[in-house]
Amino acid sequence: DGGITQSPKYLFRKEGQNVTLSCEQNLNHDAMYWYRQDPGQGLRLIYYSQIVNDFQKGDIAEGYSVSREKKESFPLTVTSAQKNPTAFYLCASSEGLLYNEQFFGPGTRLTVL
Amino acid sequence: AQSVSQHNHHVILSEAASLELGCNYSYGGTVNLFWYVQYPGQHLQLLLKYFSGDPLVKGIKGFEAEFIKSKFSFNLRKPSVQWSDTAEYFCAVNPVTSGTYKYIFGTGTRLKVLA
Repeated sequence: DGGITQSPKYLFRKEGQNVTLSCEQNLNHDAMYWYRQDPGQGLRLIYYSQIVNDFQKGDIAEGYSVSREKKESFPLTVTSAQKNPTAFYLCASSEGLLYNEQFFGPGTRLTVL
Repeated sequence: AQSVSQHNHHVILSEAASLELGCNYSYGGTVNLFWYVQYPGQHLQLLLKYFSGDPLVKGIKGFEAEFIKSKFSFNLRKPSVQWSDTAEYFCAVNPVTSGTYKYIFGTGTRLKVLA
């Protein structure tokens, strides 16, 4: 069954710690994305990647980092520099960057204590 | 900056009522347009999309949307809602000629359908 998996579903971390959110897809999609979803603000793009070993900053990249070493994986690290990291994080993928719908994972809810 | 506006943040309807959710975007070039839905406890999923051609597009579960280029709008409609349509709806725009390859999402509309 093809899709996107994100783990864990809930994550708790202490302030000042870096944390990495996992995103894996078996759809053979080239493009992958990370969004942050906050109540009343919709989805805001953090980073996106068109192809392996290439990624671009989105609208709110400060305090986040990513890597794309494999086509199927696009992990997101929330660093201690992110001022307000508590949020719901969504990973998505698409066949390409244009003329393609995005497929979304179930999300990870990160709470920083 | 490019943006997507969904003016209705919360909508409450009774079953069988008609639905129209507004979506306006600010970009003068060619766009791809999408409506996504997030049912309670489920993944965000595609309702319908517009790339080109007939500006009236039909999606899943009886939803449709009309692209009006002159108004920069892509409103979502359903003639008769059901309780199971209770969800959050997001409009998204992909500005094709902007070179940024971003998908820009609106802030979402929470729809509650009363049985």
